[in-house]
Amino acid sequence: KNEVEQSPQNLTAQEGEFITINCSYSVGISALHWLQQHPGGGIVSLFMLSSGKKKHGRLIATINIQEKHSSLHITASHPRDSAVYICAVRDYGGSQGNLIFGKGTKLSVKP
Amino acid sequence: KAGVTQTPRYLIKTRGQQVTLSCSPISGHRSVSWYQQTPGQGLQFLFEYFSETQRNKGNFPGRFSGRQFSNSRSEMNVSTLELGDSALYLCASSLAELDRNYEQYFGPGTRLTVT
Repeated sequence: KNEVEQSPQNLTAQEGEFITINCSYSVGISALHWLQQHPGGGIVSLFMLSSGKKKHGRLIATINIQEKHSSLHITASHPRDSAVYICAVRDYGGSQGNLIFGKGTKLSVKP
Repeated sequence: KAGVTQTPRYLIKTRGQQVTLSCSPISGHRSVSWYQQTPGQGLQFLFEYFSETQRNKGNFPGRFSGRQFSNSRSEMNVSTLELGDSALYLCASSLAELDRNYEQYFGPGTRLTVT
């Protein structure tokens, strides 16, 4: 079983829809990251959070430490949001901050 | 402020050869981490360097090595290349060590193809 599971693997939405991507993890963590990767390959860090909720523009990220679960929400989705969204956790165990990645969620927003 | 730069951007090598990839972090950043991304395995952590010292290494064979220079620039080396080493290699820089949870900034990656 993967230590970081994302769902769904693929997601197609119409422009304007509200989108939710989920991430569950099984290890103890010190932080969780949401990353965005566009088709060209470049990765942008969207959020880093260890508790609660963060908002940046149309993006909202939440984390529930007790349930070991995080969600990334996109409000009023737009075709430029089309990308792969990757959840990564920072394991606070013996690995000194090693990042463990989910397999990613490929989002396609149609106009 | 310039972002993280990686050179070369694309590389084609033959099995058995070795390769060196370079990463220049954002000015002032002292931590550099390397990642491998393949379609099958996704993103995997290779190693982290901070102040010229390797702090952590992922589950990769000894053919994968790296180093960091006093100006924080980092190189990674893969010896005796195998077909399975074909991947996008990404580096990321951060102000401090990874376990201090500063934000990471990723470079554009080097796409390595092994034939």
